[in-house]
Amino acid sequence: EDQVTQSPEALRLQEGESSSLNCSYTVSGLRGLFWYRQDPGKGPEFLFTLYSAGEEKEKERLKATLTKKESFLHITAPKPEDSATYLCAVQAAGPSGSRLTFGEGTQLTVNP
Amino acid sequence: DTAVSQTPKYLVTQMGNDKSIKCEQNLGHDTMYWYKQDSKKFLKIMFSYNNKELIINETVPNRFSPKSPDKAHLNLHINSLELGDSAVYFCASSPPFGLTKNIQYFGAGTRLSVL
Repeated sequence: EDQVTQSPEALRLQEGESSSLNCSYTVSGLRGLFWYRQDPGKGPEFLFTLYSAGEEKEKERLKATLTKKESFLHITAPKPEDSATYLCAVQAAGPSGSRLTFGEGTQLTVNP
Repeated sequence: DTAVSQTPKYLVTQMGNDKSIKCEQNLGHDTMYWYKQDSKKFLKIMFSYNNKELIINETVPNRFSPKSPDKAHLNLHINSLELGDSAVYFCASSPPFGLTKNIQYFGAGTRLSVL
């Protein structure tokens, strides 16, 4: 069974204090690893997809990396508007189709 | 222009009632999903339809029945609501695999409260 574990559960940073969120996964053949951002009262918003170990993607202050066992979401010089819950999900190759298996998320708070 | 829209946004009802949640997407996608997010924010897939055909059916009580009249709509009907059904339900859609690599786009959610 596919599993995704995210750590930490919650992270509080000062504005400008860089850090990383972790996503560890086990999957029977990775089709893709997805990062989403979720604001309170809203649906998950797509950030990145990574497909193979060594791949990196960047968007503004966010950078996602992937190894064979985990992914990191690096946040450089965060701002208060980066406060949100960050969700990691995996999609397995094979008959499971397009199902996404999500982790429980990391709730990030950036204080001004 | 809302890409994936769900109605209603909030639903408060009594135990034992039957209710429906509607979902529509205007992205031209051919696959749609229902997810349930519990109080711990854990998102879990319930169903998936591709071109009106059921392709994923997780271990969900028979009281939950999805219906897809066309590939732009996926509705969720729930019979005999129970307290444990209280959660936020999200609809999502994705293009055929190979186009934007099967990224799923989510609606804003329907918060269901069963009293």
